[in-house]
Amino acid sequence: EVVLTQSPGTLYLSPGERATLSCRPSPTVDNYLAWYQQRPGQPPRLLIYDAWKRAPGTPPRFTGTGSGTEFTLTISSLEPEDFAIYYCQQRGGWPPGFSFGQGTRLEMK
Amino acid sequence: EVQLVESGGGLVQPGGSLRISCLASGFPFSAYEMIWVRQAPGKGLEWVAYILGPGSPTTYADSVRGRFIVSRDNARNSLFLEMNNLRVEDTGVYYCARDSWGGGQVVGGIDYWGQGVEVAVST
Repeated sequence: EVVLTQSPGTLYLSPGERATLSCRPSPTVDNYLAWYQQRPGQPPRLLIYDAWKRAPGTPPRFTGTGSGTEFTLTISSLEPEDFAIYYCQQRGGWPPGFSFGQGTRLEMK
Repeated sequence: EVQLVESGGGLVQPGGSLRISCLASGFPFSAYEMIWVRQAPGKGLEWVAYILGPGSPTTYADSVRGRFIVSRDNARNSLFLEMNNLRVEDTGVYYCARDSWGGGQVVGGIDYWGQGVEVAVST
């Protein structure tokens, strides 16, 4: 079973600032790694898949990087609508299993 | 427009059973792998089950294996989750979602989600 550890648990920032969210898989995973945004009362929304590819409709301020045991989601300049919870997620093996990180809450300072 | 609409949730006693459904539209349902994901109140996301386009194979999270069964009816564009021997810790919102990583799709990831259906296990 792959365990995804996200950090920090909560990130306090202001609009216009840069956000850096971390996801560390153990053991290592291939690039079936995605990032999701979830706002209160809403289902998750796919932002990034295959570690770095933006899903249709994802603004360019969202960038995914990394491989193996360290992945990062960067939001270059925070907009008010970006304050939400972010989850990383991986798919692996055949037939596949899936796992989610515990989430990073992005809060307005 | 892709839509996933869950139904069948409700309140059930511990040890009871419940079957939830997901009706898909706007895409060739049989060509896509599908998953169920749940979220306990105030908690994070937990993958529950996976099913390939033709209906087999399936995989399950350790927490539900042996109690839950995922199935699909491609003729009716429907996905199901049969939940047996329910526990209090199974309480939460259950999401039906499309897995676009499989099947050579252009876009990867879990790219479409339903709005979710609530399942409450309590006395």
